[in-house]
Amino acid sequence: GQNIDQPTEMTATEGAIVQINCTYQTSGFNGLFWYQQHAGEAPTFLSYNVLDGLEEKGRFSSFLSRSKGYSYLLLKELQMKDSASYLCAVSGGNNRKLIWGLGTSLAVNP
Amino acid sequence: DAGVIQSPRHEVTEMGQEVTLRCKPISGHDYLFWYRQTMMRGLELLIYFNNNVPIDDSGMPEDRFSAKMPNASFSTLKIQPSEPRDSAVYFCASSYTGGSRYNSPLHFGNGTRLTVT
Repeated sequence: GQNIDQPTEMTATEGAIVQINCTYQTSGFNGLFWYQQHAGEAPTFLSYNVLDGLEEKGRFSSFLSRSKGYSYLLLKELQMKDSASYLCAVSGGNNRKLIWGLGTSLAVNP
Repeated sequence: DAGVIQSPRHEVTEMGQEVTLRCKPISGHDYLFWYRQTMMRGLELLIYFNNNVPIDDSGMPEDRFSAKMPNASFSTLKIQPSEPRDSAVYFCASSYTGGSRYNSPLHFGNGTRLTVT
C-alpha cells in the first residue's frame, strides 16, 4: 500500500530549531511537498523536493533522500507564528493525485 | 490575485438536506481539486478536473456526492442527501501546470466547514 508517516505532535521553544520528519512508501515518486496549515485556515505551500539533498528557503529548509523514502522540514529561529500543522505530501503516480500525511502539529512556546 | 474563493465559509444543515459548495479557482489555473479534511483521515482527494473535465472521481465517497465544473471559473460540489458523517471541512484547490507536470503547488481556498446534524 501507499503510506506517509509523520509524528503527530511536536513542541519547541521560540528561537530554537526543529526538524519534522516524514517517511513515505509509495509505488512511484515524482516529488515531495511540504505545506503549512494554521488552525482554521487553508494549507499553504512551503517547499517541493524532487532530487536528493537540501533545499533552503529562508528560515525553512527541506531535505529529501529518495533511496530511504525520507524527508524532513527544518525550521530555524522559530517564531510563535510557526505554530501550525505541517503536512507532507508525495506525488507518486502518473496523475496529479497527492498522497498526504496526517500532519505534524507544532507548538512553539515562548 | 484574489486567490481561490469558496462559499459558504460555514454550513449547518440537517440530515437529508441538499448541500451545495461553491468554488472559484484562480484565473488561468488549469487544474481544480476538491478535498475533504477531518482529524481522523486528514486530507482526502474527492475529485479533480483538468480544463473543466473530470479526470478522477475515485475519491467521491458514494453516489450522494457529485461535482461539476461548467466553466473555467466555477465549480460545485453537491451532497444529496447529506448525512452526519459528511461533517468535515471541504477545500477547493487549483493549480497551474505551466509545462511542469508534477511540481505545481496547490493553492487552497479557505474551505467550507460543513456540519450535518
